[in-house]
Amino acid sequence: AQRVTQPEKLLSVFKGAPVELKCNYSYSGSPELFWYVQYSRQRLQLLLRHISRESIKGFTADLNKGETSFHLKKPFAQEEDSAMYYCALLNTGNQFYFGTGTSLTVIP
Amino acid sequence: DAGVTQSPTHLIKTRGQQVTLRCSPISGHKSVSWYQQVLGQGPQFIFQYYEKEERGRGNFPDRFSARQFPNYSSELNVNALLLGDSALYLCASTRRGLEETQYFGPGTRLLVL
Repeated sequence: AQRVTQPEKLLSVFKGAPVELKCNYSYSGSPELFWYVQYSRQRLQLLLRHISRESIKGFTADLNKGETSFHLKKPFAQEEDSAMYYCALLNTGNQFYFGTGTSLTVIP
Repeated sequence: DAGVTQSPTHLIKTRGQQVTLRCSPISGHKSVSWYQQVLGQGPQFIFQYYEKEERGRGNFPDRFSARQFPNYSSELNVNALLLGDSALYLCASTRRGLEETQYFGPGTRLLVL
């Protein structure tokens, strides 16, 4: 069965420090992976997806098929990055799976 | 465009009742997906509809059903409500499929007593 694991429910970093939100997945096929973000009092929205290999708001994520990971990274955290982050997987059966989420707090 | 809209915003039902939730996608989007988000968890995928046909289904019992109308709006129906169905129900729309950017609605919060 597919599973998306985000081991940290809560993560706090200081402003300007690097940040890494961990995501591991279990799936035997070739998944498409995403990061979605929900800022306070806003709707859930797409941050980035591995297939487009783009950097959004300074965040990047690399798909590591060997380690089945898709960690989200940013070299210098900003206060506006404080939000709930969800890693998600789309399988070849057209089913979408979200992880349990990591709440990131950037301390000024 | 107001984005994806959902109604009602809140709903209280009792066990055994039935509920219908509604979703209107962004103009031009033909796909609607439904998710259940229990407090403290990530959204769980229930259904995806595209061009009025079911294209994806999550691991939910048959008490959950949905349909999509010619104007691409959608309804999620849950029968024989259980206490565990209490959750935020999210709708998302895309032009075609789940591989695209999903635009989420604000959700309908359902409380089952």
